[in-house]
Amino acid sequence: QKEVEQDPGPLSVPEGAIVSLNCTYSNSAFQYFMWYRQYSRKGPELLMYTYSSGNKEDGRFTAQVDKSSKYISLFIRDSQPSDSATYLCAMSANTGGFKTIFGAGTRLFVKA
Amino acid sequence: DSGVTQTPKHLITATGQRVTLRCSPRSGDLSVYWYQQSLDQGLQFLIQYYNGEERAKGNILERFSAQQFPDLHSELNLSSLELGDSALYFCASSVRRERGNTGELFFGEGSRLTVL
Repeated sequence: QKEVEQDPGPLSVPEGAIVSLNCTYSNSAFQYFMWYRQYSRKGPELLMYTYSSGNKEDGRFTAQVDKSSKYISLFIRDSQPSDSATYLCAMSANTGGFKTIFGAGTRLFVKA
Repeated sequence: DSGVTQTPKHLITATGQRVTLRCSPRSGDLSVYWYQQSLDQGLQFLIQYYNGEERAKGNILERFSAQQFPDLHSELNLSSLELGDSALYFCASSVRRERGNTGELFFGEGSRLTVL
């Protein structure tokens, strides 16, 4: 079993839709949770960062972390064609050697 | 622009050869991470350095090695290359906050390696 599970998609939605992206994980030591966006042939860019459980909102993006269920989500409101990219969840634990583990990434297509 | 610089952007070489990938972290960042991204494996953590010292190791092959220099730039050396080593290699750096590393990584544009 992978430490972080993420449905690779692809996920195709019409412009203006609400998008929900999710990841599950198995390591209860994870404390930091992130979402990265990666456009084709580019490096991943940090989109959202959350420490421990709770919600965080930034413009059209909302990140949720439920540590009790080991489940994190990213919601995109009023999706735009420019949101078409691969979204990677990532998480890390600052315990004895620090590393960030990524999900496989979900490919999102927003149709105009 | 993340501030992380990677060279070369593209590299084509033959099996059995050796290549070196270079990374300059963002100004002020002490940590450098190397990741491999291939179509079927996603982003795989290879190794992390902090201020010149190795801090964490992932699934890095013995044919691969890395180091971080006093000026904080890092190099990833890949030797005895095989077809399966063809991938995008990303370098990332991170800011160190008071509570320690938090996983907020800033990635370069990557080095695309093709082994023929």
